[in-house]
Amino acid sequence: DTAVSQTPKYLVTQMGNDKSIKCEQNLGHDTMYWYKQDSKKFLKIMFSYNNKELIINETVPNRFSPKSPDKAHLNLHINSLELGDSAVYFCASSSVTEAFFGQGTRLTVV
Amino acid sequence: GQQVMQIPQYQHVQEGEDFTTYCNSSTTLSNIQWYKQRPGGHPVFLIQLVKSGEVKKQKRLTFQFGEAKKNSSLHITATQTTDVGTYFCAGPRGGGSNYKLTFGKGTLLTVNP
Repeated sequence: DTAVSQTPKYLVTQMGNDKSIKCEQNLGHDTMYWYKQDSKKFLKIMFSYNNKELIINETVPNRFSPKSPDKAHLNLHINSLELGDSAVYFCASSSVTEAFFGQGTRLTVV
Repeated sequence: GQQVMQIPQYQHVQEGEDFTTYCNSSTTLSNIQWYKQRPGGHPVFLIQLVKSGEVKKQKRLTFQFGEAKKNSSLHITATQTTDVGTYFCAGPRGGGSNYKLTFGKGTLLTVNP
Protein backbone atom coordinates (compact mmCIF):
# COMPACT_ATOMS: atom_id res chain seq x y z
CA ASP A 1 0.00 0.00 0.00
CA THR A 2 1.46 3.34 -1.05
CA ALA A 3 1.56 5.75 1.89
CA VAL A 4 1.22 8.95 -0.15
CA SER A 5 -0.07 8.61 -3.68
CA GLN A 6 -0.45 11.39 -6.18
CA THR A 7 -1.77 11.37 -9.72
CA PRO A 8 -0.93 11.84 -12.45
CA LYS A 9 2.78 11.08 -12.51
CA TYR A 10 3.30 13.07 -15.70
CA LEU A 11 1.31 15.97 -17.07
CA VAL A 12 2.03 17.75 -20.34
CA THR A 13 -0.27 20.60 -21.20
CA GLN A 14 -0.45 23.83 -23.13
CA MET A 15 -0.16 27.31 -21.72
CA GLY A 16 -3.44 28.71 -20.54
CA ASN A 17 -4.97 25.36 -19.65
CA ASP A 18 -6.31 24.39 -16.23
CA LYS A 19 -5.14 21.17 -14.58
CA SER A 20 -5.45 19.32 -11.29
CA ILE A 21 -3.18 17.02 -9.34
CA LYS A 22 -4.64 14.69 -6.75
CA CYS A 23 -3.04 13.47 -3.55
CA GLU A 24 -4.11 10.94 -0.96
CA GLN A 25 -2.40 9.63 2.15
CA ASN A 26 -3.34 6.56 4.17
CA LEU A 27 -1.09 7.27 7.14
CA GLY A 28 -3.64 9.06 9.28
CA HIS A 29 -1.55 12.23 9.39
CA ASP A 30 -3.17 15.56 10.11
CA THR A 31 -0.67 17.65 8.12
CA MET A 32 -0.29 17.65 4.36
CA TYR A 33 1.76 19.79 1.98
CA TRP A 34 2.42 20.73 -1.57
CA TYR A 35 6.02 21.38 -2.58
CA LYS A 36 7.38 22.58 -5.89
CA GLN A 37 10.78 21.33 -7.05
CA ASP A 38 12.33 23.31 -9.87
CA SER A 39 15.12 22.31 -12.23
CA LYS A 40 17.70 23.24 -9.60
CA LYS A 41 16.13 20.72 -7.23
CA PHE A 42 15.12 23.32 -4.67
CA LEU A 43 12.13 22.05 -2.66
CA LYS A 44 9.92 25.06 -2.08
CA ILE A 45 6.90 24.77 0.17
CA MET A 46 3.70 26.01 -1.42
CA PHE A 47 0.92 25.09 0.97
CA SER A 48 0.52 23.40 4.30
CA TYR A 49 -2.78 22.05 5.62
CA ASN A 50 -3.58 20.73 9.06
CA ASN A 51 -6.84 18.85 9.51
CA LYS A 52 -8.27 20.30 6.29
CA GLU A 53 -7.41 23.85 7.35
CA LEU A 54 -4.96 25.97 5.36
CA ILE A 55 -2.03 26.79 7.60
CA ILE A 56 0.51 28.17 5.19
CA ASN A 57 0.22 29.76 1.78
CA GLU A 58 3.75 30.61 0.84
CA THR A 59 3.15 33.54 -1.54
CA VAL A 60 1.93 31.27 -4.28
CA PRO A 61 0.04 32.93 -7.17
CA ASN A 62 -3.70 32.64 -6.72
CA ARG A 63 -3.84 30.60 -9.93
CA PHE A 64 -2.90 27.75 -7.58
CA SER A 65 -5.77 26.62 -5.41
CA PRO A 66 -5.43 23.72 -3.01
CA LYS A 67 -8.46 21.86 -1.78
CA SER A 68 -8.69 19.46 1.11
CA PRO A 69 -12.05 17.63 1.16
CA ASP A 70 -10.89 15.59 4.15
CA LYS A 71 -7.65 15.21 6.02
CA ALA A 72 -6.54 12.29 3.85
CA HIS A 73 -6.73 14.27 0.61
CA LEU A 74 -5.09 17.43 -0.62
CA ASN A 75 -5.60 18.28 -4.26
CA LEU A 76 -3.98 21.07 -6.25
CA HIS A 77 -5.75 22.91 -9.02
CA ILE A 78 -3.83 25.23 -11.30
CA ASN A 79 -5.55 27.76 -13.56
CA SER A 80 -4.14 29.44 -16.63
CA LEU A 81 -0.92 27.47 -16.68
CA GLU A 82 2.27 29.33 -17.54
CA LEU A 83 5.63 28.11 -18.83
CA GLY A 84 7.20 28.90 -15.45
CA ASP A 85 4.88 26.44 -13.75
CA SER A 86 6.86 23.58 -15.28
CA ALA A 87 8.36 21.66 -12.37
CA VAL A 88 7.91 18.55 -10.28
CA TYR A 89 5.16 18.93 -7.69
CA PHE A 90 5.35 16.79 -4.57
CA CYS A 91 2.58 16.11 -2.15
CA ALA A 92 3.62 15.10 1.36
CA SER A 93 2.10 14.30 4.70
CA SER A 94 3.82 14.38 8.04
CA SER A 95 3.76 13.27 11.61
CA VAL A 96 5.69 15.30 14.19
CA THR A 97 8.83 13.37 13.37
CA GLU A 98 8.97 12.89 9.62
CA ALA A 99 7.39 13.66 6.28
CA PHE A 100 6.38 11.15 3.63
CA PHE A 101 6.43 12.24 0.02
CA GLY A 102 4.43 11.11 -2.95
CA GLN A 103 6.16 10.04 -6.14
CA GLY A 104 5.82 13.50 -7.64
CA THR A 105 4.00 14.90 -10.66
CA ARG A 106 6.21 16.18 -13.45
CA LEU A 107 4.30 19.06 -15.00
CA THR A 108 5.47 20.34 -18.37
CA VAL A 109 3.80 23.39 -19.83
CA VAL A 110 4.37 23.89 -23.55
CA GLY B 1 12.21 34.71 8.32
CA GLN B 2 13.93 31.52 9.20
CA GLN B 3 16.18 30.13 6.54
CA VAL B 4 17.91 26.81 6.31
CA MET B 5 21.18 27.05 4.42
CA GLN B 6 23.00 23.99 3.17
CA ILE B 7 26.51 23.58 1.76
CA PRO B 8 28.03 22.48 -0.48
CA GLN B 9 25.57 22.56 -3.32
CA TYR B 10 27.45 19.82 -5.18
CA GLN B 11 30.05 17.25 -4.18
CA HIS B 12 31.74 14.75 -6.43
CA VAL B 13 33.81 12.03 -4.80
CA GLN B 14 35.63 8.86 -5.72
CA GLU B 15 34.05 5.72 -4.36
CA GLY B 16 35.52 5.03 -0.95
CA GLU B 17 36.05 8.69 -0.05
CA ASP B 18 34.15 10.37 2.74
CA PHE B 19 31.47 13.01 2.26
CA THR B 20 29.99 15.68 4.51
CA THR B 21 27.14 18.12 4.03
CA TYR B 22 26.38 20.97 6.42
CA CYS B 23 23.17 22.67 7.35
CA ASN B 24 22.77 26.01 9.14
CA SER B 25 19.67 27.74 10.38
CA SER B 26 19.26 31.42 11.15
CA THR B 27 17.16 30.49 14.19
CA THR B 28 17.13 27.72 16.77
CA LEU B 29 15.39 24.62 15.54
CA SER B 30 13.20 22.35 17.64
CA ASN B 31 14.46 19.48 15.53
CA ILE B 32 16.20 18.83 12.25
CA GLN B 33 15.40 16.16 9.71
CA TRP B 34 17.47 14.71 6.90
CA TYR B 35 16.13 13.36 3.63
CA LYS B 36 17.67 11.66 0.61
CA GLN B 37 16.36 11.98 -2.92
CA ARG B 38 17.67 9.58 -5.53
CA PRO B 39 17.81 10.86 -9.13
CA GLY B 40 14.29 10.76 -10.52
CA GLY B 41 12.86 9.85 -7.13
CA HIS B 42 11.17 11.55 -4.24
CA PRO B 43 12.64 12.68 -0.92
CA VAL B 44 12.84 9.88 1.61
CA PHE B 45 13.19 10.47 5.34
CA LEU B 46 16.49 9.39 6.87
CA ILE B 47 16.48 10.65 10.44
CA GLN B 48 15.34 13.25 12.92
CA LEU B 49 17.58 14.87 15.53
CA VAL B 50 15.99 16.57 18.50
CA LYS B 51 18.47 17.05 21.32
CA SER B 52 21.26 19.58 21.53
CA GLY B 53 24.57 17.92 20.59
CA GLU B 54 22.84 14.74 19.50
CA VAL B 55 24.77 12.28 17.34
CA LYS B 56 23.08 9.40 15.56
CA LYS B 57 24.51 6.74 13.28
CA GLN B 58 22.98 4.64 10.55
CA LYS B 59 25.63 2.25 9.25
CA ARG B 60 28.05 4.52 7.34
CA LEU B 61 26.00 7.67 7.94
CA THR B 62 26.62 9.90 10.97
CA PHE B 63 24.27 12.74 11.81
CA GLN B 64 25.03 15.53 14.26
CA PHE B 65 22.92 18.31 15.74
CA GLY B 66 24.83 21.31 17.06
CA GLU B 67 24.86 22.40 20.67
CA ALA B 68 22.95 25.56 19.84
CA LYS B 69 20.48 23.58 17.69
CA LYS B 70 21.19 25.85 14.75
CA ASN B 71 23.41 23.59 12.68
CA SER B 72 23.66 19.99 11.65
CA SER B 73 25.83 17.77 9.54
CA LEU B 74 25.60 14.49 7.70
CA HIS B 75 28.79 12.53 7.19
CA ILE B 76 29.09 9.45 5.00
CA THR B 77 32.11 7.24 5.50
CA ALA B 78 33.56 5.37 2.52
CA THR B 79 30.96 6.37 -0.04
CA GLN B 80 29.44 3.83 -2.39
CA THR B 81 27.68 4.34 -5.71
CA THR B 82 24.39 3.65 -3.94
CA ASP B 83 24.91 6.86 -1.95
CA VAL B 84 24.34 8.97 -5.07
CA GLY B 85 21.53 11.47 -4.67
CA THR B 86 20.59 14.81 -3.18
CA TYR B 87 20.68 15.13 0.59
CA PHE B 88 18.37 17.66 2.18
CA CYS B 89 18.15 18.95 5.69
CA ALA B 90 14.81 20.31 6.86
CA GLY B 91 13.62 22.16 9.91
CA PRO B 92 10.14 23.07 11.06
CA ARG B 93 9.59 26.80 11.05
CA GLY B 94 7.62 28.32 13.86
CA GLY B 95 8.06 25.91 16.71
CA GLY B 96 7.83 22.20 17.17
CA SER B 97 5.06 21.41 14.76
CA ASN B 98 5.82 20.23 11.28
CA TYR B 99 3.38 22.71 9.77
CA LYS B 100 6.06 24.49 7.83
CA LEU B 101 8.84 22.07 7.09
CA THR B 102 11.48 24.18 5.38
CA PHE B 103 14.13 22.48 3.32
CA GLY B 104 17.68 23.47 2.61
CA LYS B 105 18.69 23.63 -1.04
CA GLY B 106 20.27 20.23 -0.84
CA THR B 107 23.68 18.77 -1.63
CA LEU B 108 23.93 16.69 -4.77
CA LEU B 109 26.40 13.86 -4.23
CA THR B 110 27.85 12.04 -7.18
CA VAL B 111 30.20 9.09 -6.73
CA ASN B 112 32.74 7.96 -9.30
CA PRO B 113 33.16 4.16 -9.21
